[in-house]
Amino acid sequence: GQNIDQPTEMTATEGAIVQINCTYQTSGFNGLFWYQQHAGEAPTFLSYNVLDGLEEKGRFSSFLSRSKGYSYLLLKELQMKDSASYLCAVGLTTDSWGKLQFGAGTQVVVTP
Amino acid sequence: SAVISQKPSRDICQRGTSLTIQCQVDSQVTMMFWYRQQPGQSLTLIATANQGSEATYESGFVIDKFPISRPNLTFSTLTVSNMSPEDSSIYLCSGLDRGTEAFFGQGTRLTVV
Repeated sequence: GQNIDQPTEMTATEGAIVQINCTYQTSGFNGLFWYQQHAGEAPTFLSYNVLDGLEEKGRFSSFLSRSKGYSYLLLKELQMKDSASYLCAVGLTTDSWGKLQFGAGTQVVVTP
Repeated sequence: SAVISQKPSRDICQRGTSLTIQCQVDSQVTMMFWYRQQPGQSLTLIATANQGSEATYESGFVIDKFPISRPNLTFSTLTVSNMSPEDSSIYLCSGLDRGTEAFFGQGTRLTVV
């Protein structure tokens, strides 16, 4: 079956770095997505990895290892506004391009 | 990326009634999907909204309960039928084109009483 695991919650202080890990076992793979979701709002796209390696986008970086079924999202220079849920999602290819399988989300709490 | 306008943003409904949620995209998109997000949980895919044909439902979701329409490449509706309190959830539509990431509507927060 499909399985995407990420920690439930992480706490870090303003200005610090936090790494959110995601492991996956899915029947198809068409890329690994990270979304940010503030409470009561829709998810917003952060990053996409389809090849192994690190993708950097400002304060956010995402890493993928397909052989290990592993990704992480790195948040640097944390700001209070980064307090949100971070969703790891796998793009599936089994029968419909574009379908996403989401993990349960990691709630990041940034403290002063 | 394109923008999806979803409405209503929230509603409180009586059990046994039905609610139709609409999503309008500001440009044509190849794919549209409907997700459900139950309180404190992540998103679960309900179905793929196929333009001009019947939607493709995921395991655990059926057309009689969640009829979906997609008459063109910019619009889709999801109806939650014969509602019960267990249907209380946030419903989100999503769109994407090849080469782009999925983007979401603002969500509809449904409470069934």
